[in-house]
Amino acid sequence: GAGVSQSPRYKVAKRGQDVALRCDPISGHVSLFWYQQALGQGPEFLTYFQNEAQLDKSGLPSDRFFAERPEGSVSTLKIQRTQQEDSAVYLCASSLAAGGSDTQYFGPGTRLTVL
Amino acid sequence: AQSVTQPDIHITVSEGASLELRCNYSYGATPYLFWYVQSPGQGLQLLLKYFSGDTLVQGIKGFEAEFKRSQSSFNLRKPSVHWSDAAEYFCAVGSYTGTASKLTFGTGTRLQVTL
Repeated sequence: GAGVSQSPRYKVAKRGQDVALRCDPISGHVSLFWYQQALGQGPEFLTYFQNEAQLDKSGLPSDRFFAERPEGSVSTLKIQRTQQEDSAVYLCASSLAAGGSDTQYFGPGTRLTVL
Repeated sequence: AQSVTQPDIHITVSEGASLELRCNYSYGATPYLFWYVQSPGQGLQLLLKYFSGDTLVQGIKGFEAEFKRSQSSFNLRKPSVHWSDAAEYFCAVGSYTGTASKLTFGTGTRLQVTL
């Protein structure tokens, strides 16, 4: 079946603009994750959903970052008033269940560049 | 808090040579351990994972990893490298608290393969 998809693949924003990044997880997957990958670094956890419930948002760097998954499938990561330090690749992942050993399947990411 | 260290930022090997990528972790309980590979412009692909049982884990593309609790290590190995293995490799530890789940990644090791 189809894997995790993300859109757009590339986004250029001027500093101060709001952006919205979309993630379509694998159908039927309970868990959904967002990660931020800065250039030359490993991905860093942002937030976690179990169905529509956001159970962990401890990794969101500021209150400018907001994520939702209203129907327990598609998720949107929104960044308000973007700043240059927000430039990164944003990765979405999903897993079938909700355990720590479950495989997370990653999308190709959205590369955000803030000018 | 959990952490992952990949001490080698960049490794170069000749095609056909053996490979070992190092990974050390810090985690208070029995860890869930993963190796992912990332090719340019691609998402992360799971190579293998460990969560219990046999400490030698076989993965895709001929990779294997060995969990050594006494050394807090989970090194990735391949007996004969192919040019197509050139990519970035990430080790990760998974944590699950019943309500929260996430992966903590190392900073990655970039593998270059010379012909």
